[in-house]
Amino acid sequence: QKEVEQNSGPLSVPEGAIASLNCTYSDRGSQSFFWYRQYSGKSPELIMSIYSNGDKEDGRFTAQLNKASQYVSLLIRDSQPSDSATYLCAVNGNDYKLSFGAGTTVTVRA
Amino acid sequence: GAGVSQSPSNKVTEKGKDVELRCDPISGHTALYWYRQSLGQGLEFLIYFQGNSAPDKSGLPSDRFSAERTGGSVSTLTIQRTQQEDSAVYLCASSPRKNTIYFGEGSWLTVV
Repeated sequence: QKEVEQNSGPLSVPEGAIASLNCTYSDRGSQSFFWYRQYSGKSPELIMSIYSNGDKEDGRFTAQLNKASQYVSLLIRDSQPSDSATYLCAVNGNDYKLSFGAGTTVTVRA
Repeated sequence: GAGVSQSPSNKVTEKGKDVELRCDPISGHTALYWYRQSLGQGLEFLIYFQGNSAPDKSGLPSDRFSAERTGGSVSTLTIQRTQQEDSAVYLCASSPRKNTIYFGEGSWLTVV
């Protein structure tokens, strides 16, 4: 079983819609959770971090964490063509090594 | 510069040659990481440095791979006797603390 699993997609949404990305993790002791965005040919950039159960909002992005279900999600509201990218879920346990999922590719249709 | 700097940005090498990839982390960041990303794949952890502690080399895929960090700052990842399966982008990241890491633009390695 992979440590961090994501649907690979591609996820195609129309402009203005909500894009919903899901991530599950295997280490129940995981403490920190991150979403990175990666444009084609570019390095990942941090867009959200979440540490406690519930929702965390930042602009058009909302991260949701449910530790009991070992599940973290990212919602992108009012999706824009510039949101088209691969979104990587990353999880950190008690150690320092971030484990990454394979990423979900999102395409926003104009 | 303000970000993590990596060089070279692109490297094409012949199979069997050695390559060195360099990473200059963000000033003041004590932690430095190397990840590898093959085309269309996720990020694979390679090695981690934290201050003066012994590095965690558990992710290095073979003994052809090695890395060092001099003076707690610049790091060099060396791949000896390169193979075609080593072709990937090698990403360096640094962190001021354990959790949030910031990536460089990567070194794209192609072994022909």
